[in-house]
Amino acid sequence: DGGITQSPKYLFRKEGQNVTLSCEQNLNHDAMYWYRQDPGQGLRLIYYSQIVNDFQKGDIAEGYSVSREKKESFPLTVTSAQKNPTAFYLCASSQAGRRADTQYFGPGTRLTVL
Amino acid sequence: DQQVKQNSPSLSVQEGRISILNCDYTNSMFDYFLWYKKYPAEGPTFLISISSIKDKNEDGRFTVFLNKSAKHLSLHIVPSQPGDSAVYFCAAHDYNQGGKLIFGQGTELSVKP
Repeated sequence: DGGITQSPKYLFRKEGQNVTLSCEQNLNHDAMYWYRQDPGQGLRLIYYSQIVNDFQKGDIAEGYSVSREKKESFPLTVTSAQKNPTAFYLCASSQAGRRADTQYFGPGTRLTVL
Repeated sequence: DQQVKQNSPSLSVQEGRISILNCDYTNSMFDYFLWYKKYPAEGPTFLISISSIKDKNEDGRFTVFLNKSAKHLSLHIVPSQPGDSAVYFCAAHDYNQGGKLIFGQGTELSVKP
């Protein structure tokens, strides 16, 4: 039963703390992505990785960091430097990063900063 | 600079009628377009896609039309059903931007019984 899992579903963080969001896929996809969704806005790309041990900044990378040590995993750390971290975070993966290909999404993590 | 725009934030249609969701883009180098459907607090699910070399792709009740000269695509849902009520995002793929997908702002479709 292949898919993308994100955990936790809901996450609460105190201001000034770093927090790491998990994303795992068993689809054998090469590319993985992190997006952020805010109310009334589309999905904005934070970071993406087309291959293990390599990743690139997206459109809104400031205050975030990622790692890609394994093909299946692409964790996102929201640091205290992120000015407005409360949002819905979505992870996605696709077969091949550069070629036109469908991205498949996980269920998302709702992060709330208290 | 919004490269992909969905100018209608919401759309309401009667069950059984046609829903038409529109999307405009500015970059003529986009080579692939996708539509996603999203329910609140869930991840988007892929609906249908179209390559830039085609002008129409059909899958059951869903048809996507691409007008390259106008840089416009549309998603038609016929007949609309209450379960189609969701937010619909169009997205464009640009090989020259590292294979990123660029999303529109979304259109919230409400299908009334």
